[in-house]
Amino acid sequence: DGGITQSPKYLFRKEGQNVTLSCEQNLNHDAMYWYRQDPGQGLRLIYYSQIVNDFQKGDIAEGYSVSREKKESFPLTVTSAQKNPTAFYLCASSKGLAGTYNEQFFGPGTRLTVL
Amino acid sequence: DQQVKQNSPSLSVQEGRISILNCDYTNSMFDYFLWYKKYPAEGPTFLISISSIKDKNEDGRFTVFLNKSAKHLSLHIVPSQPGDSAVYFCATNYGQNFVFGPGTRLSVLP
Repeated sequence: DGGITQSPKYLFRKEGQNVTLSCEQNLNHDAMYWYRQDPGQGLRLIYYSQIVNDFQKGDIAEGYSVSREKKESFPLTVTSAQKNPTAFYLCASSKGLAGTYNEQFFGPGTRLTVL
Repeated sequence: DQQVKQNSPSLSVQEGRISILNCDYTNSMFDYFLWYKKYPAEGPTFLISISSIKDKNEDGRFTVFLNKSAKHLSLHIVPSQPGDSAVYFCATNYGQNFVFGPGTRLSVLP
């Protein structure tokens, strides 16, 4: 079945540690995205990538880093510089970038808790 | 400043009745809108979309209405079912990104 997978579903880390969240898609989509959702808030864009080896900062990129070495994969690293990393992280993909009448498909999310 | 607004954080509706979720936007250049549904601890799923060349799009129990002059769209669910209880996000697909509203939590009471 085609879709987006994120792992792990729940992740606990100590303060000051970097952590990498996995996102894989087999939809053959060019564009991939990372969002963060906090309680009672909408989705805020962290990073997005239109094509392999290229990515752009979103609205809240500080303290995060990404890579796009393969079309299928877009891992997100939450660094120790991120001041408030505890949140629900969502990965998404779309056939093309916004502006081309595409919808996004979302993974199941990873809940990160920093202790 | 939010470009996509959903001013009702929550809405409760009786099963079988109509649910109306509202969304307002600020930029008249937005020309494609989407509604997503999200259950707790899951990713959002796409529900329905509408482009600015239309004022209505229907898919089963879900209908989206677009009023371009008012920069307003609404999602109607008829009849509402308990399984519709979720958070609904309005979004627009513009420029290089999707922009999401803060969401409205719908509770359908049996």
